[in-house]
Formats: sequence, structure tokens, C-alpha cells
Amino acid sequence: QSVLTQPPSMSAAPGQKVTISCSGSSSNIGNNYVSWYQQLPGTAPKLLVSDNNKRPSGIPDRFSGSKSGTSATLVITGLQTGDEADYHCGTWDSSLSAVVFGGGTKLTVL
Amino acid sequence: QVRLQESGPGLVKPSETLSLTCTVSGGSVSSGSYYWGWIRQPPGKGLEWIGYIHYSGSTNCNPSLKSRVTISVDTSENQFSLKLSSVTAADTAVYYCARSDYYYYYLDVWGKGTTVTVSS
Repeated sequence: QSVLTQPPSMSAAPGQKVTISCSGSSSNIGNNYVSWYQQLPGTAPKLLVSDNNKRPSGIPDRFSGSKSGTSATLVITGLQTGDEADYHCGTWDSSLSAVVFGGGTKLTVL
Repeated sequence: QVRLQESGPGLVKPSETLSLTCTVSGGSVSSGSYYWGWIRQPPGKGLEWIGYIHYSGSTNCNPSLKSRVTISVDTSENQFSLKLSSVTAADTAVYYCARSDYYYYYLDVWGKGTTVTVSS
């Protein structure tokens, strides 16, 4: 059982937009920065978004993050078949004194 | 460009200790701006944070694993290590080492991961 809650799976057509949610509480998302990771099949996770909405160098602006209250959102626009992956949200939990993750969302681009 | 590489046995017997090392290249484990951490992913499941260490020796671990986890750093070898004692089949996973921002904890550099199976 993950501390953060994500939908297990989502699907959308190429070119469309998808919104992946990540829900938490005041001890984690509500008072700490959220990061998002993309995990392509058989590979290690890769940082997509840090500090709620900052993209590391080389990450396309099709990927954007936001946070409101105790929830965070990753939006991917102009979907490509290469975006098929698992997406994980993560943050610090002040009560647990630990990094916590969501269970991951498997994105299928039909 | 900083790179991380995990190494260690791929098979560990139940009740024994899992030992992994992460070698850092292209950067220094002695940088004060980062923590150096371990994350695992059981087959078909999500990510689980194990813990991290700062070059100063300060550590923090997942409360659910704390009694079994030891994380250490060797600045002379530019490496950090994980020991997980009394393993069971539930510890079977891909183990990743990663660099963590000191202030906001995001993980910006990951190793490729190493699969560890617990079985007799």
C-alpha cells in the first residue's frame, strides 16, 4: 500500500493530452515538493519534474507538473508512442521522515 | 556527467545479508549538495525508498526497513553501500542507487539497477 495514490493505469491516443494525478496528505504533498519520474519498460526511472513544476534540462515542455493542496498532477500533451511508460510521483513525508512514492501509473498510448 | 553503477550478488539465501555497492563516476560522493540513496522495486510493483546517506555520514532509512538496513559511504573509493539483513523472498527486487537533492529530495541521477533474488 503506497503512501501516495495514483491511478494504476491510463490510456490515450497519440496527439492527445493525459493528466495523471497523485494524491497525498498534509504531511507529504501538502507541505513538500513533488517530483515525477518516467520509467520506460525494462529501464530505470528518469526524473521528469522536480520541485512541483521544474523540468530538468532535456525534458520536453510537453511534460508539465503542478500541485494544489495535497494533490499533484502531471500533464503530458501531444502524446507519442514513445511516452508509453510507468509514471511515478514522489515526495518527502515529514511525519515518516522518509521519501514516499505513489504506486505508479501505467500509461498506454493506443 | 555523473553516472552510478550498482554491483553485488544477484542471488541471496533467505536469512542472509544482501550487500550492494554503488560506484559514482563523473562526480564526487563527497559533494555536500546531495544525499546518496537506495530504492527498490519488487517485480510488478512500485518504487520503495530504502534510505540515503550524506558524505558526512548522516543517514536516514525507511522506518519499515530501519532495523535491517545499514548504509555506508567510502569517500576514498567514491562509493556507497547497502546492507540488508535477514532477507526473505519479499526482499526480491530490482535495487537502484540514486543521487538525491539535499534540500528537496528529488532523485536526479539513477543507476541502471541490479536484480536481487532471495532464494535457497
